[in-house]
Amino acid sequence: DTAVSQTPKYLVTQMGNDKSIKCEQNLGHDTMYWYKQDSKKFLKIMFSYNNKELIINETVPNRFSPKSPDKAHLNLHINSLELGDSAVYFCASSQDEGAGGYTFGSGTRLTVV
Amino acid sequence: QKEVEQDPGPLSVPEGAIVSLNCTYSNSAFQYFMWYRQYSRKGPELLMYTYSSGNKEDGRFTAQVDKSSKYISLFIRDSQPSDSATYLCASLTGGGADGLTFGKGTHLIIQP
Repeated sequence: DTAVSQTPKYLVTQMGNDKSIKCEQNLGHDTMYWYKQDSKKFLKIMFSYNNKELIINETVPNRFSPKSPDKAHLNLHINSLELGDSAVYFCASSQDEGAGGYTFGSGTRLTVV
Repeated sequence: QKEVEQDPGPLSVPEGAIVSLNCTYSNSAFQYFMWYRQYSRKGPELLMYTYSSGNKEDGRFTAQVDKSSKYISLFIRDSQPSDSATYLCASLTGGGADGLTFGKGTHLIIQP
């Protein structure tokens, strides 16, 4: 009965590959997010998405694309992976644009070799 | 200049001590302020959230926001070894679509 679940937990892949990370929330929240946590533990937003609009952080390369098949899912697709993409990626969700806080998943540790 | 500044530590204190964690921010549009706790290899977990200036208490934890000085604090009373984690402050504008802006986190160690 995990609130926000991500798969896979660990992902090791070669440069140039395309990969996806899946996220599902069972909280009935209306907004979902992807965050990237780098090696220095700094959490930075990549995307926020609700059924109305997608907000993209302008610093995110267009190799990254979110896909939302329905309100409870927000997947992250990454094309042509680079070494610098290695990080922990967190999915999160919130209600009412997050004033009451976000609920985070446990993270996907991506290593590009 | 990053919008939310936080000393990364580590901060090491003996068990039972009062811990004070602090952040400063620069964006006057921030209205909501939160503290998250993150254990190693886990996702951030919401501890406290407040709206605008003021105090909020929950058990051993007290959050304070002073919007006039753009200062955010978290106090932990009677600290326990299980409190050892990274504590992240975060802020949100009223619009919300920008997402939470996080500080870099303070690594806290409670010595038994």
